[in-house]
Parts: sequence; C-alpha cells; structure tokens
Amino acid sequence: DAGVTQSPTHLIKTRGQQVTLRCSPKSGHDTVSWYQQALGQGPQFIFQYYEEEERQRGNFPDRFSGHQFPNYSSELNVNALLLGDSALYLCASSAQGHLYEQYFGPGTRLTVT
Amino acid sequence: KNEVEQSPQNLTAQEGEFITINCSYSVGISALHWLQQHPGGGIVSLFMLSSGKKKHGRLIATINIQEKHSSLHITASHPRDSAVYICAGLYGGSQGNLIFGKGTKLSVKP
Repeated sequence: DAGVTQSPTHLIKTRGQQVTLRCSPKSGHDTVSWYQQALGQGPQFIFQYYEEEERQRGNFPDRFSGHQFPNYSSELNVNALLLGDSALYLCASSAQGHLYEQYFGPGTRLTVT
Repeated sequence: KNEVEQSPQNLTAQEGEFITINCSYSVGISALHWLQQHPGGGIVSLFMLSSGKKKHGRLIATINIQEKHSSLHITASHPRDSAVYICAGLYGGSQGNLIFGKGTKLSVKP
C-alpha cells in the first residue's frame, strides 16, 4: 500500500500564476482533505472532497479550488498566486465515517516569488 | 471559535529525559490527534483518541474530556524523537475537519 502520495514535492511559481497540486489517497479511502501550513504554523483546513464534491470549506478565498476524480484522487488549484500562498500543502485521506483516521501525504512545498 | 492550543512552543531535552507536551482545546471535538512532523514536512499520525489513554512504544497519549486537555508523553527520549509534535482536534463529528495547534518543536540532545 503506497499510502497517500502527493505531487510535485516542490514547486516554484511567480505571483499571478496558477498552480495545480495533486493527491492520491490511501487505498480504500474515499475522502480527501487539503491543508495549508505556513512556515512555523500549524496546518489550516482548506477544504474536503467526498463523492467528487466539496463537502466542507475552511476560511480560504475562491482562488483556492479543487476537484475529486472518480478514482478518489484530488487536485488543489490556486489561481492568481500571492506571495502569501507560499506554504506546505498537505493532503490527507480518510474513509467516510472514519474521518478521525486521517492519513497524511508528504506535502507539496510551494514557493511563490 | 474552535481552538487548539499547545504548550510549550519549543522544548529542549537531554537524551533519556521524560517529556510532556500539553494540548488544550475548546468544546466540540469528537476526537483528538497527535501528529509528528519531521523537517521536510511529512506528517505521521501517532495517536487518535477520544477518551482515556493510549500507548505505543515509548509514546503515551492521554485525554481528559472533562478538562478538555490532552498530553503526549515520551519516555526515555532519544535524539531521533526530535521533531514538531502537533495536536489536532476533530470538530463536527462524522463530517468534521481537523483544527490544528501550532505545534511543539522538540529537540533532544545526545
């Protein structure tokens, strides 16, 4: 079992650009949550996807959007990048009804210059 | 507002020492996670607990629901335990999301 995988591991973008981050959940999991972790801070919840729909959303602007595919993998898209979007983006997967058992991926380190 | 607070923010210990990290949370959590994050970012889930106490090797986690408080203990600490330890509360029941503390940076010196 490969666990939760994320790609790419590192990414450098310029202000105003758009970025797509990808996450493959652990086998058997159908729910994907995305978190943003700024340097020195705890992760902040962005949104959660289940059955290809956004089920919950944290306090993030509409520039942050996502998608879940039929195979439960997920993408996080960020438009009009700002310097403040530089962070580690973490994906966590879980099974419906077992959201307390979230398994985390290694994260994607995004740097916006 | 749902909040999770950890203490201390930073902790330095000598190898072999007993370590305690504390976590306090506001009402409404259904479960609490303790997570470990090494430099580079990857997060590993150590414990999930909603009551009582759990033990895994040298790690022990306890939770007191009435006092809204949890602790993570490390016995016989080792330099490889050096990491950031994060507690996170699951709010919202079966469709909830995790609210994270800011983490405790632990450094264990040989």
